[in-house]
Amino acid sequence: QVQLVQSGAEVKKPGASVKVSCKASGYTFTAYYIHWVRQAPGQGLEWMGWINPNSGATNYAQKFQGRVTMTRDMSISTAYMDLSRLRYDDTAIYYCARSGNSMANYGMDVWGQGTTVTVSS
Amino acid sequence: DIQMTQSPSSLFASVGDRVTITCRASQSCGSFVNWYQQKPGKAPNLLIYAASSLQSGVPSRFSGSGFGTDFILTITSLQPEDFATYYCQQTYSTPLTFGGGTKVDIK
Repeated sequence: QVQLVQSGAEVKKPGASVKVSCKASGYTFTAYYIHWVRQAPGQGLEWMGWINPNSGATNYAQKFQGRVTMTRDMSISTAYMDLSRLRYDDTAIYYCARSGNSMANYGMDVWGQGTTVTVSS
Repeated sequence: DIQMTQSPSSLFASVGDRVTITCRASQSCGSFVNWYQQKPGKAPNLLIYAASSLQSGVPSRFSGSGFGTDFILTITSLQPEDFATYYCQQTYSTPLTFGGGTKVDIK
């Protein structure tokens, strides 16, 4: 079945970096964009950006420019989100989700299970 | 950035009720609005895309409408499994933005 499976929970210190993976299965990895969306505890959803797994092109929300890097490894159908210079307010659940085009005009129809990232000293 | 404002932020309803959730955009989004349902501890689930198109597998009691700046999600005959938080999302321009959510609780 079509699914996105993310890596496990992480605990990081302020100033460190975290890399979350998102492994796709059940569909052609390069045919869909991968978006990253985060959700702080008890809060709403925040879009971070997307990667085109076919070309490697990326589009980041300005808020995260300079701190986020999205990459992919086509050989293992996996996308990655690297967030650096972590702050306490980066504590959140990070989701990957796929869409049929870059703007998700048809919605983000498959989501990963989420990866909890906790920033704590 | 386009701000998406949902109302109400929470509501109480009973099984069988008709529920409407409103989402207002700070500028026109055309029909580029999606709706998601999220249950506690779970990832969001796509319900409606392009304002009014029902995602495959989603029950027909869910419907969406609207264009421009005002959008509505309607649930006819609320079911026990529909108690959740609902989010609108605009995909007209980046950054893609979500509404603050509407929590539907049991009356």
